[in-house]
Amino acid sequence: DAEITQSPRHKITETGRQVTLACHQTWNHNNMFWYRQDLGHGLRLIHYSYGVQDTNKGEVSDGYSVSRSNTEDLPLTLESAASSQTSVYFCASSEKGNNSPLHFGNGTRLTVT
Amino acid sequence: AQTVTQSQPEMSVQEAETVTLSCTYDTSESDYYLFWYKQPPSRQMILVIRQEAYKQQNATENRFSVNFQKAAKSFSLKISDSQLGDAAMYFCAYRRAPSGATNKLIFGTGTLLAVQP
Repeated sequence: DAEITQSPRHKITETGRQVTLACHQTWNHNNMFWYRQDLGHGLRLIHYSYGVQDTNKGEVSDGYSVSRSNTEDLPLTLESAASSQTSVYFCASSEKGNNSPLHFGNGTRLTVT
Repeated sequence: AQTVTQSQPEMSVQEAETVTLSCTYDTSESDYYLFWYKQPPSRQMILVIRQEAYKQQNATENRFSVNFQKAAKSFSLKISDSQLGDAAMYFCAYRRAPSGATNKLIFGTGTLLAVQP
């Protein structure tokens, strides 16, 4: 069965370190998204991609970057982790088209100490 | 910019009873989609129900139904015959349409539903 996998499931890192969260999908979807979930804020969009070599900023992109070198993967990098980036991160993917549902990964809980 | 508001941070319901979760949204678009997602403690995001704005008929999925009031920009979720497994965080979400390849979802802040036995 096709799926979307995030790794690691939990990560603890120190302030100032570079961290990369992995997202891999086997749906062959063009669209991929990164969200962060925080209490009182719901899910907020960080970055998204509509295909290989395409990346776009979401509403909370500062301090994050993504790259899309193939269809399956959209890694999220925190260039210099800050305590404000402690959160649960969700990756999602979908087909092109307005009627396509989003498929979510199971999230990565990141703690920055 | 579009916004989604869930004014009930927490709700509680007795098992087998009915509960309604509220959601309002703000948009200048006439065509869009609305969603309810369920997030149990496992963190998995599960699509509960979807409504197309151009459809007047309210969407229904088994015990889950919506009350979609387009003019009032209101999209509430009704859960009938509540079960212990319904306990979860529920998110309301909005997506523009038509929008080409854009599938960006805008989420509300969530409502934590407790089900009492």
